[in-house]
Amino acid sequence: GEKVEQHESTLSVREGDSAVINCTYTDTASSYFPWYKQEAGKSLHFVIDIRSNVDRKQSQRLIVLLDKKAKRFSLHITATQPEDSAIYFCAASKNYGNEKITFGAGTKLTIKP
Amino acid sequence: EAAVTQSPRNKVAVTGGKVTLSCNQTNNHNNMYWYRQDTGHGLRLIHYSYGAGSTEKGDIPDGYKASRPSQENFSLILELATPSQTSVYFCASGERGGSQNTLYFGAGTRLSVL
Repeated sequence: GEKVEQHESTLSVREGDSAVINCTYTDTASSYFPWYKQEAGKSLHFVIDIRSNVDRKQSQRLIVLLDKKAKRFSLHITATQPEDSAIYFCAASKNYGNEKITFGAGTKLTIKP
Repeated sequence: EAAVTQSPRNKVAVTGGKVTLSCNQTNNHNNMYWYRQDTGHGLRLIHYSYGAGSTEKGDIPDGYKASRPSQENFSLILELATPSQTSVYFCASGERGGSQNTLYFGAGTRLSVL
């Protein structure tokens, strides 16, 4: 089955700098790649996604890049703010729906003042 | 706003006992999921469901059963709880296919098996 590896288990950046979280996946059939955010003591919520028909997607300060050849995707958070501190999970699933979404282990992002 | 409600929020169980975790969603979503979250492993899929009456095995189904008696309700059952099942459990719901693939998560259930 699909395996999603999240390369950074922790990441610390200064407020205002950019943060990059990298993930790789194993199943070439995967075509949908969402990101979820979990703030301390809370549940997860969706932040952004990308589908395999594009290689870049931006939503305000969040940019997702997809390299299908390398089976790699990444989340870039620009101009980081204290409220960006959280655990970020990348995930992957196949294109016929979201019946089975496989998550990475999570990256704990800390924004330093 | 989509709503997924889990109960109980916290549970302490004894080894060998039966535990039932409940999940209710008011989103009218077809798909529902049970994940567990452990440090170093992230979220791992236990069971999921396409709709009422269906249950499918996820990546780590051993020791767990699931039940989907209705569109709204999805339960996770530990028939003989073990300390290794101590974890935080998340239920989620999502639409099937189409352009909307977002999962909506409940607040989580913290289970301790002593």
